[in-house]
Amino acid sequence: EDQVTQSPEALRLQEGESSSLNCSYTVSGLRGLFWYRQDPGKGPEFLFTLYSAGEEKEKERLKATLTKKESFLHITAPKPEDSATYLCAVQSNYGGSQGNLIFGKGTKLSVKP
Amino acid sequence: GAGVSQTPSNKVTEKGKYVELRCDPISGHTALYWYRQSLGQGPEFLIYFQGTGAADDSGLPNDRFFAVRPEGSVSTLKIQRTERGDSAVYLCASRTGLAGELFFGEGSRLTVL
Repeated sequence: EDQVTQSPEALRLQEGESSSLNCSYTVSGLRGLFWYRQDPGKGPEFLFTLYSAGEEKEKERLKATLTKKESFLHITAPKPEDSATYLCAVQSNYGGSQGNLIFGKGTKLSVKP
Repeated sequence: GAGVSQTPSNKVTEKGKYVELRCDPISGHTALYWYRQSLGQGPEFLIYFQGTGAADDSGLPNDRFFAVRPEGSVSTLKIQRTERGDSAVYLCASRTGLAGELFFGEGSRLTVL
C-alpha cells in the first residue's frame, strides 16, 4: 500500500534558524513526489515536483531533495512568512490508484521573529 | 477563470440533509480531483475524473457520496443524508493530464450540525 509519513508533526524555529522537514514514502514505483505549502483556511499551493532519486529543486529559501525512500525540504534562514503547513505527496506508476496523489499529514512550521 | 473555483466557500447544514459542492477547474484541464481534509490531517483522496468519466472513485467513503462531471468541465460533489462525521474541508484540484502538479482551489468548508 502506498504510504507517506512526514516528520516532525510540528516545528518551531527562530528567524534565520535553518532546518529540514522529512517525508518518508512507500510506493510501488514512483511517478512523482510533490511538495505543497498550505496556509490556514487556504488550499495547498504547489512548490516542487521530484521524479527520481538524486534530483534537487530550489525556490528562494526552500530546497527539496529526493532519495529512494525519502525526501527532505530544507529551509535556509527562514522568515516568519515561511510559517505554514508543508505537505508531501506521492503518485504511483502502478495500480488502480496511479492517477491520484497520496498525501502525508503535513508538518506545521512556525517561524518566530 | 485563472484558478480553480469552489462554491460555496462555507456550508452549514443539519444532519440528514442533502448537500452539493461545486468545482470549476482551470480552463483546459482534463483531470479533476476531489479531496477531503479534516483538521490536522492531509488531504484524503475521494475521486478523480478524466474528462467526463470517473477514472477512480475508490476514495468515496460510502454510497452517500457521489460526484459528476457531465460536460468535462464543472464538477459537483453530492452528499446525501449528511452525518456529523462528514464535516471537513472539501478540496477540488485540476491538472492537464495524469502527471505534473495539481492546482487546488480554496476549498468548501462543510459543517454538519
